[in-house]
Amino acid sequence: AQSVTQLDSHVSVSEGTPVLLRCNYSSSYSPSLFWYVQHPNKGLQLLLKYTSAATLVKGINGFEAEFKKSETSFHLTKPSAHMSDAAEYFCVVSPNSGNTPLVFGKGTRLSVIA
Amino acid sequence: NAGVTQTPKFRILKIGQSMTLQCTQDMNHNYMYWYRQDPGMGLKLIYYSVGAGITDKGEVPNGYNVSRSTTEDFPLRLELAAPSQTSVYFCASSFETGTTRQPQHFGDGTRLSIL
Repeated sequence: AQSVTQLDSHVSVSEGTPVLLRCNYSSSYSPSLFWYVQHPNKGLQLLLKYTSAATLVKGINGFEAEFKKSETSFHLTKPSAHMSDAAEYFCVVSPNSGNTPLVFGKGTRLSVIA
Repeated sequence: NAGVTQTPKFRILKIGQSMTLQCTQDMNHNYMYWYRQDPGMGLKLIYYSVGAGITDKGEVPNGYNVSRSTTEDFPLRLELAAPSQTSVYFCASSFETGTTRQPQHFGDGTRLSIL
């Protein structure tokens, strides 16, 4: 069975400072992992994905995430926050076999303070 | 490039009414999905489809029905609306080839209130 835990429901950072959004996962199989962003009144947009290639994954808008199998983590980082980064972020896990649906974390709301 | 289009964007229903949420995609994706999003709960899968004529239940299917007669369209039907179905509904699609899971593309959602 798969599960995903986003360790913080809300993170607040100042503009220009680093962003760290934490995600731990559990999967019986070699997983695919994704981060999505959701701006207010919008659907989810893919930031980046891990599918068993390089463990450091680069995404859009300067975000990146590192897959650490030993820690079962897939934390999302960005060196310098922008006001436009304020949104809800979702970590998602799926095994690479079968039709097992994706499992979404409950989300982390990122606030960016000017 | 429209992607995934959902209609309507907003709707208010009375208890016991029925309605259909429409979803269409123009990317020739084989898989389509319906989710509901409640505050602080992430997304829960209602139904999904791996191709035209094939549908399957997700985590929270009760009170909903779906059909998939074409590759492009995947409507979600609420037969007897209940207050517990007040939520934001998202349709998504992806192109799966059976090796590694692919990202899903989402519509902008339908905000449904049942009073």
